[in-house]
Amino acid sequence: NAGVTQTPKFQVLKTGQSMTLQCAQDMNHEYMSWYRQDPGMGLRLIHYSVGAGITDQGEVPNGYNVSRSTTEDFPLRLLSAAPSQTSVYFCASSPGTSGGNTGELFFGEGSRLTVL
Amino acid sequence: GENVEQHPSTLSVQEGDSAVIKCTYSDSASNYFPWYKQELGKGPQLIIDIRSNVGEKKDQRIAVTLNKTAKHFSLHITETQPEDSAVYFCAASDNDMRFGAGTRLTVKP
Repeated sequence: NAGVTQTPKFQVLKTGQSMTLQCAQDMNHEYMSWYRQDPGMGLRLIHYSVGAGITDQGEVPNGYNVSRSTTEDFPLRLLSAAPSQTSVYFCASSPGTSGGNTGELFFGEGSRLTVL
Repeated sequence: GENVEQHPSTLSVQEGDSAVIKCTYSDSASNYFPWYKQELGKGPQLIIDIRSNVGEKKDQRIAVTLNKTAKHFSLHITETQPEDSAVYFCAASDNDMRFGAGTRLTVKP
């Protein structure tokens, strides 16, 4: 029962470097999303996808890119890392196309990113 | 967009006592209100949810109430146990889900 798998779990970057956070789900969910979690600010939506080939921006999309070439995978790319992107990142999936309205979000275990 | 406020930010109770966490939301179109529990080093997990056509829902020691007129909803945990210690998030959703800032609940044995 893998569910939602995120890699890596920990990463340290220097300012200006780029990297990709990987997310894969094996539940055949249409909806996938990325959140960042910062102290005192809850979970904020970065980007989401309602199906393969479709992506859209969330609340805090600047500095991040996503793509959805398959149902299973939804990678998050940091183009030029900045210290403000130091955070814990969570990938989540849901059977429905909106993620919230149709039911439960299933979260991965998180990726802790530090940008120096 | 939707704005969700959650109180308190920290809550400490004695084992066996009840705990209540409250949330307010701004968008009257929101119609789905889940609660998530996050344990240390883990991703959030759904513990209970409620839809806008229901005023109250209960699952064993956990209950959620919703007041659509006042735009607020609450999580009630009765007979708290040390394993209830975690961070709890409320959320409100119309098309995309917005989360509250979280409540760190500590249950002292």
